Amino acid sequence: QTVVTQEPSFSVSPGGTVTLTCGLSSGSVSTSHYPSWYQQTPGQAPRTLIYSTNTRSSGVPDRFSGSILGNKAALTITGAQADDESDYYCVLYMGSGIVIFGGGTKLTVL
Amino acid sequence: QVQLQESGPGLVKPSQTLSLTCTVSGGSISSGGYYWSWIRQHPGKGLEWIGYIYYSGYTYYNPSLKSRVTISVDTPKNQFSLKLSSVTAADTAVYYCARCPSVDAFDIWGQGTMVTVSS
Repeated sequence: QTVVTQEPSFSVSPGGTVTLTCGLSSGSVSTSHYPSWYQQTPGQAPRTLIYSTNTRSSGVPDRFSGSILGNKAALTITGAQADDESDYYCVLYMGSGIVIFGGGTKLTVL
Repeated sequence: QVQLQESGPGLVKPSQTLSLTCTVSGGSISSGGYYWSWIRQHPGKGLEWIGYIYYSGYTYYNPSLKSRVTISVDTPKNQFSLKLSSVTAADTAVYYCARCPSVDAFDIWGQGTMVTVSS
């Protein structure tokens, strides 16, 4: 069974840059997986940040960017702000209409 | 703008069928171009994709839930629905509906509705 892997937690200093990654338990992530990224704060619905690897959703600041780094998808946040402290989830498309969520990364800004 | 709103019972007994509806406003399901999805989140856990439907009725389901899931669409009411049969406590979760511009991403989310499975 394929598992989508994310760092369980990460921390960044205010104003700093952080890169969160999204990998596969078996194999490499490519643009063909159309990686997308979602931000969720406690008690709220997820918010779409990035889709199709690097396309920002409407209204998302350019501090958020998506890419492929090595064999993983990556979400980079530059100039981290206090309200970036959230859970971040990636989604990978596995073909045949199937998508899988990663386990999420809890980002702390301190 | 397009908004989605989940509705349905907040409490379901074990072995029964969980039924939820997502009402779409500000846009028409029948205009096409989008898939309509259900996602859930167990308490304190991550997100799990359940499945989606196109306005024509074509569906894709998470293989791990496929035997128990039915997603349907009611275009005149501009709604789509989720039925999950034979529920157990493990199906207790917040259930979200979402719009998908393609089968690989979600762009607009409902606020979510908590469903508890308990006798």
